[in-house]
Amino acid sequence: NAGVTQTPKFQVLKTGQSMTLQCAQDMNHEYMSWYRQDPGMGLRLIHYSVGAGITDQGEVPNGYNVSRSTTEDFPLRLLSAAPSQTSVYFCASSYDGTGGNTIYFGEGSWLTVV
Amino acid sequence: AQSVTQPDIHITVSEGASLELRCNYSYGATPYLFWYVQSPGQGLQLLLKYFSGDTLVQGIKGFEAEFKRSQSSFNLRKPSVHWSDAAEYFCAVEYGNKLVFGAGTILRVKS
Repeated sequence: NAGVTQTPKFQVLKTGQSMTLQCAQDMNHEYMSWYRQDPGMGLRLIHYSVGAGITDQGEVPNGYNVSRSTTEDFPLRLLSAAPSQTSVYFCASSYDGTGGNTIYFGEGSWLTVV
Repeated sequence: AQSVTQPDIHITVSEGASLELRCNYSYGATPYLFWYVQSPGQGLQLLLKYFSGDTLVQGIKGFEAEFKRSQSSFNLRKPSVHWSDAAEYFCAVEYGNKLVFGAGTILRVKS
C-alpha cells in the first residue's frame, strides 16, 4: 500500500547543478502533479500531467522540467539549480483530472540549493 | 482566478479550548474544498473535504468544517484542542484536480 512515493527525501545541491526528484504512484492514477511549498505562501503548482505523454505548466514552472512516459512515474527535473529553488517539493496524484477526486500527496522532498 | 485566504498566520489556543481556523475562497463554480494539516518536517495529511451535500463536514481527529456559500467560507473547527494538534493547517480549493492553497495557519497550543 505504497501510495505516492517521492525520492530523495533530503537533498543539498550547489548552484548550477542539475537533479531529478522522483515520484511514483501505484494507484493507477491518471493525474499527477508537483507542488512547491515555501513559508507564508502555502503550496504552489509547478507542473501537472493528465496522463502518460501529456504535461502542462502550473503557476510556477520556470526552472523545472517534467515528463510522463508511464502512468506510474512523474519525475521533476531541475535543470540548473538556483537558491530560489530551495523549497519543499510535494508530488500528488488523483484518479483523473475531472475534479472532485481525493488527491494523494507524497511525503515531500526537502531541497536546499547553496 | 481562484484564490484562498487564511487571514490568521498564527493562532495560539489553550489546551482544551475550542478552535476555529478561518478560510475564505474565491471560485466561480461550486467549489471542492479541503483542509490539510502538516506537522513540522512531515507531509500533508487530509483532515476533511467538501464536495457537495451537507454543509457541515466531519473529518479525522475530531475536526469539522462548515461550508457557507453566502460568505465564501470554509472554516475549520474543533471543540477541544489537544497539544498534539499543534501544526500548520492549510485550506485549499480544487479545480480540475489542481489545488490552490492558502498561505497556512500555524496553530500553537498552550498547556
